[in-house]
Amino acid sequence: EPEVTQTPSHQVTQMGQEVILRCVPISNHLYFYWYRQILGQKVEFLVSFYNNEISEKSEIFDDQFSVERPDGSNFTLKIRSTKLEDSAMYFCASSRDLNQPQHFGDGTRLSIL
Amino acid sequence: AQSVTQLDSQVPVFEEAPVELRCNYSSSVSVYLFWYVQYPNQGLQLLLKYLSGSTLVKGINGFEAEFNKSQTSFHLRKPSVHISDTAEYFCAVTSRYSSASKIIFGSGTRLSIRP
Repeated sequence: EPEVTQTPSHQVTQMGQEVILRCVPISNHLYFYWYRQILGQKVEFLVSFYNNEISEKSEIFDDQFSVERPDGSNFTLKIRSTKLEDSAMYFCASSRDLNQPQHFGDGTRLSIL
Repeated sequence: AQSVTQLDSQVPVFEEAPVELRCNYSSSVSVYLFWYVQYPNQGLQLLLKYLSGSTLVKGINGFEAEFNKSQTSFHLRKPSVHISDTAEYFCAVTSRYSSASKIIFGSGTRLSIRP
């Protein structure tokens, strides 16, 4: 069964540095999402992406964050100047259609030092 | 706006016993409902979904859930659990009318199975 894949599985970065988290959604999926889960807290929506533009974003997704689909397969989340509170597990998800379930990757654990 | 409440943060159960994980939601519009499972050090896997039709939904690994519109609940059940069911379970909703289908998750219930 096709899967959403995320790399790296764990990223350690100094505070203030830029970080790019990478995702390869399922190939025939059209909708893409990023979520995050701070340790011990619930999974939170960050942003959705369709037709090469952001469909919706949460209040967490401020100017520090950006998303991009640089080619036909990758979907990236960039954090420009990381803060300690950005430490979390970041999940990428994709779905074929709006009414279809979202398939999640295994996540990237981001640790900011 | 939607919200999801999972009242039990942890549920310990003996192996082969039945289990129910509770979920209540609130929404001003019609919703789709989901249960996701997260095994240790893994991502989120869809367990089951309610989109429409029969209110009793069967999922993978012997789990089922019942949508109760009047009580705004979507409790997850399994008649007999195994050690391998040890995981965190998340109830989630999404609006039927959203242009982006963002998922709103509950805070999760950690299911621990005792031999």
